Amino acid sequence: NAGVTQTPKFQVLKTGQSMTLQCAQDMNHNSMYWYRQDPGMGLRLIYYSASEGTTDKGEVPNGYNVSRLNKREFSLRLESAAPSQTSVYFCASSELRTYINNEQFFGPGTRLTVL
Amino acid sequence: RKEVEQDPGPFNVPEGATVAFNCTYSNSASQSFFWYRQDCRKEPKLLMSVYSSGNEDGRFTAQLNRASQYISLLIRDSKLSDSATYLCVVNLDTGGFKTIFGAGTRLFVKA
Repeated sequence: NAGVTQTPKFQVLKTGQSMTLQCAQDMNHNSMYWYRQDPGMGLRLIYYSASEGTTDKGEVPNGYNVSRLNKREFSLRLESAAPSQTSVYFCASSELRTYINNEQFFGPGTRLTVL
Repeated sequence: RKEVEQDPGPFNVPEGATVAFNCTYSNSASQSFFWYRQDCRKEPKLLMSVYSSGNEDGRFTAQLNRASQYISLLIRDSKLSDSATYLCVVNLDTGGFKTIFGAGTRLFVKA
């Protein structure tokens, strides 16, 4: 049982390049999330998927797109990377039965640098 | 004003000390509350949920004060292994899903 896995662990891009961050979970969770974490700031939600087939914008969606490929996988795409997207990206999943018991399980993160 | 605010610290305490963290939230639609722990360069992990009646898990005690809109985390008999960043997390019910993470409080426990 690997939990939540993310690839790649590290990535360096040049401004304007595109890339896709991959995330998969093996806990049969319905909901999946993408966050970014910057120094001095809390994790900020980029996009989430409450269930397979649905996606919704979070707090900071501009410059990103997502795909919920199936129940296990949720990818994040940067179409044209900008230096402001330099950050640590975390994928998470949860059962989301109710807001009260919404423990989120996180992947190990992807450290992205955009030059 | 941030929706969830924490003292960034760092808190530097000796082993065996008791340390308390506070977190304030601004949205009265907040429904549920959690403390997560994040080790350096690692992912956040759930430490404990926070209930209105307060709850305890070993050396850790969490309290919620809805009237004043703050939650707290008390760590007794600090261990070196408690050194980490503690994240306050609030779930909102605004007709849709919203989880807000605080920026975290750093704790260093020294021998």
